[in-house]
Amino acid sequence: DAMVIQNPRYQVTQFGKPVTLSCSQTLNHNVMYWYQQKSSQAPKLLFHYYDKDFNNEADTPDNFQSRRPNTSFCFLDIRSPGLGDAAMYLCATSRDLLQVRDNEQFFGPGTRLTVL
Amino acid sequence: AQRVTQPEKLLSVFKGAPVELKCNYSYSGSPELFWYVQYSRQRLQLLLRHISRESIKGFTADLNKGETSFHLKKPFAQEEDSAMYYCAPPMEYGNKLVFGAGTILRVKS
Repeated sequence: DAMVIQNPRYQVTQFGKPVTLSCSQTLNHNVMYWYQQKSSQAPKLLFHYYDKDFNNEADTPDNFQSRRPNTSFCFLDIRSPGLGDAAMYLCATSRDLLQVRDNEQFFGPGTRLTVL
Repeated sequence: AQRVTQPEKLLSVFKGAPVELKCNYSYSGSPELFWYVQYSRQRLQLLLRHISRESIKGFTADLNKGETSFHLKKPFAQEEDSAMYYCAPPMEYGNKLVFGAGTILRVKS
């Protein structure tokens, strides 16, 4: 009963070669998030979608983009991956954004990106 | 900006011993705080949130506004509690989270 699915689980790309990571959800949640988690560090929010509204965190590099074609799917595009972009990328969902009460984030298993 | 500090990277205790995972936050408003946990080879998941005042798997967390702390406690640690624990207050508003650096809890038999 996977609720937040990420594909692929492992992705290898070459320096500078665009890569897309995929996330889908069966929860029908309004909000989808992308986090970057580097080795031995905490997850760091890159951006989120509230429905179709995109919100970029101030310190997210321009190299990172996202698309949400429908409620269920959200993509993370890295236009020109550098060695420093190697990390675990976590997708999460929540029912709402502003109502913290009774709102937990549901995480996917993550995609581990390797940049050669 | 909201900040959270988990001072211990690793906490190692024996089975049956009490556990306290520390978390301190900075927040100007009324905080809503969460603890998330990641067991080995499993996804990150919510453990508990302070607003619910609940006990999950024997863990509790009390918000201390005077000390700006939200420490996670369990009176008797079990081996299955071994995991990475993240304290996560929200950003200035809403449900976007700022994760602490995390504390690895190792419960030894």
